[in-house]
Amino acid sequence: DTAVSQTPKYLVTQMGNDKSIKCEQNLGHDTMYWYKQDSKKFLKIMFSYNNKELIINETVPNRFSPKSPDKAHLNLHINSLELGDSAVYFCASSQGYGGNQPQHFGDGTRLSIL
Amino acid sequence: AQSVSQHNHHVILSEAASLELGCNYSYGGTVNLFWYVQYPGQHLQLLLKYFSGDPLVKGIKGFEAEFIKSKFSFNLRKPSVQWSDTAEYFCAVLFGGYQKVTFGTGTKLQVIP
Repeated sequence: DTAVSQTPKYLVTQMGNDKSIKCEQNLGHDTMYWYKQDSKKFLKIMFSYNNKELIINETVPNRFSPKSPDKAHLNLHINSLELGDSAVYFCASSQGYGGNQPQHFGDGTRLSIL
Repeated sequence: AQSVSQHNHHVILSEAASLELGCNYSYGGTVNLFWYVQYPGQHLQLLLKYFSGDPLVKGIKGFEAEFIKSKFSFNLRKPSVQWSDTAEYFCAVLFGGYQKVTFGTGTKLQVIP
């Protein structure tokens, strides 16, 4: 059983399009995250939600909008995609929002903008 | 501002060699420390963590790390690496009073058979 699952695994699309990435965790965790990993492997947090409530919102363009319908799901919608959005996006989850619990990561979604 | 530094960007070792990967942070307060590993094409997995107590922590797959508070360091070690240890290693720090973990830029380890 996959603990943190993201779909799709690969996403190739054109500039200007709108796309969504879905994330689900079956660990019973109450906190979920989205990270962006750039071509240099730098991993930067974008958002975190605790029990469907936004906790962390880093300096991210407002074209990125997370949505958490319940605590097991955290989806990421991206409007008007740009070349610079090309990256691997990782979803993660943990128990508690203090950040002091280990995070469990999904396999990543590789987004390529043409 | 708080930061996490991994100075070794790419390390190449032969099998059976000893490994030490550096991790330093800048912050004078309480920290929680993590090392994660990302095998090729896979997701990040937790190797080990330090919250308090014995500053020498042991993780999975024979890895260990030592927290030296005076040096603001949390270096990862393994006495004898294997080809299967080829991966990217990330140090991560939770700075006390903050709710997000900050990741280092990662160290790519390549082990040659």
